[in-house]
Amino acid sequence: EAQVTQNPRYLITVTGKKLTVTCSQNMNHEYMSWYRQDPGLGLRQIYYSMNVEVTDKGDVPEGYKVSRKEKRNFPLILESPSPNQTSLYFCASKNTGLAKNIQYFGAGTRLSVL
Amino acid sequence: DQQVKQNSPSLSVQEGRISILNCDYTNSMFDYFLWYKKYPAEGPTFLISISSIKDKNEDGRFTVFLNKSAKHLSLHIVPSQPGDSAVYFCAAKTQGGSEKLVFGKGTKLTVNP
Repeated sequence: EAQVTQNPRYLITVTGKKLTVTCSQNMNHEYMSWYRQDPGLGLRQIYYSMNVEVTDKGDVPEGYKVSRKEKRNFPLILESPSPNQTSLYFCASKNTGLAKNIQYFGAGTRLSVL
Repeated sequence: DQQVKQNSPSLSVQEGRISILNCDYTNSMFDYFLWYKKYPAEGPTFLISISSIKDKNEDGRFTVFLNKSAKHLSLHIVPSQPGDSAVYFCAAKTQGGSEKLVFGKGTKLTVNP
């Protein structure tokens, strides 16, 4: 089954404790992206990757890091989480074929930073 | 500045009637528009899309209309079903190399039995 898998689905942590949210896709997509969803703000892009070893900032990259060492994986790293990073996070991927404009999303990771 | 606007945070309709969700945009460089549906505790799922060279795209009960001169698009669901109750996001993509999607804030649709 074609899917984007995020882990963990839920995470409660404390300020300053480094964490990583993993994202993996099995569709051989070149493009991957991270979004956060906050009440009243919709989805905002954090970082994206056009291909392996190619990453770039989105609209709200502060406090986040990413890496793309393999095509299928695109982890989101919070080196020193703060309470304002409490949010719902989504990973997405996209192919470059016929349906090239459609992004496919993971189920989300709800993060609480205390 | 908000480039994609969904001005109705919520919409309630009766089962069997038409649901119309609206979306306005400000960026003339947008050339592709998508609607996503999101259920609680799930990720957004693609619903329907339209290219800027078209003014209508239909897929079963779902139709998207695009009015480029007004920078407005709408999603029509006919007939509405209780299972359509979800948050609907409008998204837009600019022409050229950027793959970025710009999302609206979403509209929560409730279809009452």
